[in-house]
Amino acid sequence: GAGVSQSPRYKVTKRGQDVALRCDPISGHVSLYWYRQALGQGPEFLTYFNYEAQQDKSGLPNDRFSAERPEGSISTLTIQRTEQRDSAMYRCASSPHTRVYNSPLHFGNGTRLTVT
Amino acid sequence: ELKVEQNPLFLSMQEGKNYTIYCNYSTTSDRLYWYRQDPGKSLESLFVLLSNGAVKQEGRLMASLDTKARLSTLHITAAVHDLSATYFCAVALGDDKIIFGKGTRLHILP
Repeated sequence: GAGVSQSPRYKVTKRGQDVALRCDPISGHVSLYWYRQALGQGPEFLTYFNYEAQQDKSGLPNDRFSAERPEGSISTLTIQRTEQRDSAMYRCASSPHTRVYNSPLHFGNGTRLTVT
Repeated sequence: ELKVEQNPLFLSMQEGKNYTIYCNYSTTSDRLYWYRQDPGKSLESLFVLLSNGAVKQEGRLMASLDTKARLSTLHITAAVHDLSATYFCAVALGDDKIIFGKGTRLHILP
């Protein structure tokens, strides 16, 4: 079946522009996570949702970052007034359960963001 | 705040040898995950460990969890080149916040 789909696959933007990254989780998955992964590093937690409710946004670096999942399916991570330090791979993951027990997170292929 | 530490961060080993990767975490948790990532690829789930003393094995990889010591290990038996990758452990905090370690980059020499 279809996995977690992220778009765009690559995004190059100029400093100061806003970007929106999209995540389409596996059908029926209720939990959705956003991570940021710098080259050679582990995924850094940003935020997660159960259904449409944002449960924890403590990992969002600052108020330029926001995320939503209005209908409990597709999610958008928005970065306003991008800065060069925002350049990274942004990964989305989903899980079929609200408490992630036997099911691990299923990751998408990520969006590579480059801010010039 | 939950901290997840892996060691070593880099490991180069010969084919046929055994080795262990360690994952320590700083606060109580009953859920630990191991993932594999190949260069330029996404993360692939290897193991889910849910209780103290849990042990899971798949091929040449075996993972264990000691929740009292806040320690998980990933043991590689008779390594082969195909196991070269970066391995991450991840720990669940509270309800569902899942924190990853920095990863162990494993390079297996033929």
